[in-house]
Amino acid sequence: AQKVTQAQTEISVVEKEDVTLDCVYETRDTTYYLFWYKQPPSGELVFLIRRNSFDEQNEISGRYSWNFQKSTSSFNFTITASQVVDSAVYFCALSEARSGNTDKLIFGTGTRLQVFP
Amino acid sequence: NAGVTQTPKFRILKIGQSMTLQCAQDMNHNYMYWYRQDPGMGLKLIYYSVGAGITDKGEVPNGYNVSRSTTEDFPLRLELAAPSQTSVYFCASSYSIRANQPQHFGDGTRLSIL
Repeated sequence: AQKVTQAQTEISVVEKEDVTLDCVYETRDTTYYLFWYKQPPSGELVFLIRRNSFDEQNEISGRYSWNFQKSTSSFNFTITASQVVDSAVYFCALSEARSGNTDKLIFGTGTRLQVFP
Repeated sequence: NAGVTQTPKFRILKIGQSMTLQCAQDMNHNYMYWYRQDPGMGLKLIYYSVGAGITDKGEVPNGYNVSRSTTEDFPLRLELAAPSQTSVYFCASSYSIRANQPQHFGDGTRLSIL
């Protein structure tokens, strides 16, 4: 069965601290895609990154980095030198590429990150 | 860049009333989706469409209907509003069926049923 688990409900850090948001997924497919979305207090959903199951290379984008490990079915997200503007709810999501399927996303329950000045 | 536009942004309904949540995208995406987000939860798929004239149920379709007469528009209808449908509703669209393109989301419609 498809499932995405974000065990951390809420994390609080002080500005400039590094923080890692955990994401563990379950799927029986060999081809799948993983996503991270950010939901700031204003409520919209902002796409951050997509990863396919064949690409385990870690990715860095500015202060953001992602660690994809198939061996542990994890796709963790690290923010380096956090800032107040990083305060948001972060969602990890999974989509399977089975034949006949669509881009249906399975979301985790989200991790609320609060960065204090 | 309009992207995905949802209207209204907020609405309060009485139990038993009906309404239509509007969603329009200007990116020529074939694939469109409706999700609901309950407090403290992730998003759950209500309905989706792979093109004009084609719709299918998602994980939580009961109490909702959709139609897709054009590529651009994908309205969601609540026929008999119930308190359990109090939620934030997100419409999304994507270019590819191959699950490798990000879905672009609207800003959401916050709906309260009283």
